[in-house]
Amino acid sequence: EVQLVESGGGLVQPGGSLRLSCAASGFTFSNYAMSWVRQAPGKGLEWVSAISNRGGSRNYADSVKGRFTISRDNSKNTLYLQMNSLTAGDTALYYCAKDVNTLVQGVFDSWGLGTLVTVSS
Amino acid sequence: DIQMTQSPSSLSASVGDRVTITCQASQDISHYLNWYQQKPGKAPKLLIHDASKLETGVPSRFSGSGSGTAFTFTIGSLQSEDVATYYCQQYDNLRFTFGPGTKVDIK
Repeated sequence: EVQLVESGGGLVQPGGSLRLSCAASGFTFSNYAMSWVRQAPGKGLEWVSAISNRGGSRNYADSVKGRFTISRDNSKNTLYLQMNSLTAGDTALYYCAKDVNTLVQGVFDSWGLGTLVTVSS
Repeated sequence: DIQMTQSPSSLSASVGDRVTITCQASQDISHYLNWYQQKPGKAPKLLIHDASKLETGVPSRFSGSGSGTAFTFTIGSLQSEDVATYYCQQYDNLRFTFGPGTKVDIK
C-alpha cells in the first residue's frame, strides 16, 4: 500500500524558511515523479512544484518560483520542499502527491495527509 | 497559465439524484483533465484521469466526459458517502492548475 507521510510544517515568521519532507513507502519511489500541492485554510488546491523520478526535471508555480526548491533523495525514499522568504500567502496545508509516471505528468494517484505551514508574526 | 472554472460552486441534491458538474479550461487542453474528490478533513482522491478514465476501484456511478475546453463530471446516482468537494485539474502543460471546486451535499 502506498504511504506518503509529510513532516516539517509549523509556525514560522514572515521572511523565514522551512523544509518539508515526505517519506514514501509501499512503492518504488525512484520510479515516479512527485509533486507538492497546497491548500490554504478553507480554500482550493494549488499545485506548487514537481520533480521527475531522478530529479533531472523540476517545475514550479509562478507564486513560489525563486523562493521554493524541490528535491528528492531516492536512497532515502524522501521528497523535500525547501521554502524560503515565506509570506502569509504561503500559509497552507502542504500535500505530497505521487505522479503516475516517471516523468512529470500531473496525474496524482496517491496523496499524503499533509503538513500545516503557518506564516505569522 | 491555463485557468480552470467550475460550475456550480456548490449544490445540494437528494440521494439517488443525478449530479452534473462542469469544468471549463481557458484554452484547449485536449483530454488532459483529472477529477478529484476531497471529503471533509481528508486528502484529495483521484477519481478520473484523461477526462473519462475511471480509476481502479472507483464506483461506476462516477463518470467524466469532454475534450478541448469543456468537460463534465457526473454522479449517476448520488449516495450519502459522495458528500465532498470535487475538483477538476488540467495537465496539458507542466504548470498544473485546479478548478475552484464544487461542494456537493445531500438535501
